[in-house]
Amino acid sequence: GAGVSQSPRYKVAKRGQDVALRCDPISGHVSLFWYQQALGQGPEFLTYFQNEAQLDKSGLPSDRFFAERPEGSVSTLKIQRTQQEDSAVYLCASSPRGGATLEKLFFGSGTQLSVL
Amino acid sequence: TQLLEQSPQFLSIQEGENLTVYCNSSSVFSSLQWYRQEPGEGPVLLVTVVTGGEVKKLKRLTFQFGDARKDSSLHITAAQPGDTGLYLCAGGFLRGTSYGKLTFGQGTILTVHP
Repeated sequence: GAGVSQSPRYKVAKRGQDVALRCDPISGHVSLFWYQQALGQGPEFLTYFQNEAQLDKSGLPSDRFFAERPEGSVSTLKIQRTQQEDSAVYLCASSPRGGATLEKLFFGSGTQLSVL
Repeated sequence: TQLLEQSPQFLSIQEGENLTVYCNSSSVFSSLQWYRQEPGEGPVLLVTVVTGGEVKKLKRLTFQFGDARKDSSLHITAAQPGDTGLYLCAGGFLRGTSYGKLTFGQGTILTVHP
């Protein structure tokens, strides 16, 4: 596809369950970002990859959150032992070159996670 | 502490009115971007400004970057219902610990009534 694809679109998890969220960036895009967005709020930075290297994971809220991009394309955000406060929309974005400061970020439609 | 403060947080106006959204910070940014997001979708880039004092126009939208590169504004002339959405500003740095990532404001929810 031409855009950033995220799956699943919606995920309902029971508290304590592990979840995995997938992001397919635009082909050839070097940078990949994960953001967390609460309803009606701005996205909060989670982590950033340049190719397969995770350059910044300072936004991950706890060690229950883990992200990977092993071959420099598809990325997975994993949340272990989910808690109710993890409920949010998780957005993935990619950009053609390194970083986002001067680049256009292309966002996916997000995965809406609800933890019951 | 919010690095980027947007105001107002909510804006409800009638079609044809003008409006301005503000984005303020105590930090100096290398760039400032504005995005618009509709429900159930990801944000879509509207504009990037990089030079202090820069003004960019996109049809009825006018974007300004403050001289000191700490603040920005988005002005919409003659708003239309299709302008309804969440407007986000995002700041970026070219060096330092925040290099590479964008930091978003909390957003302004705009509703334009027909």
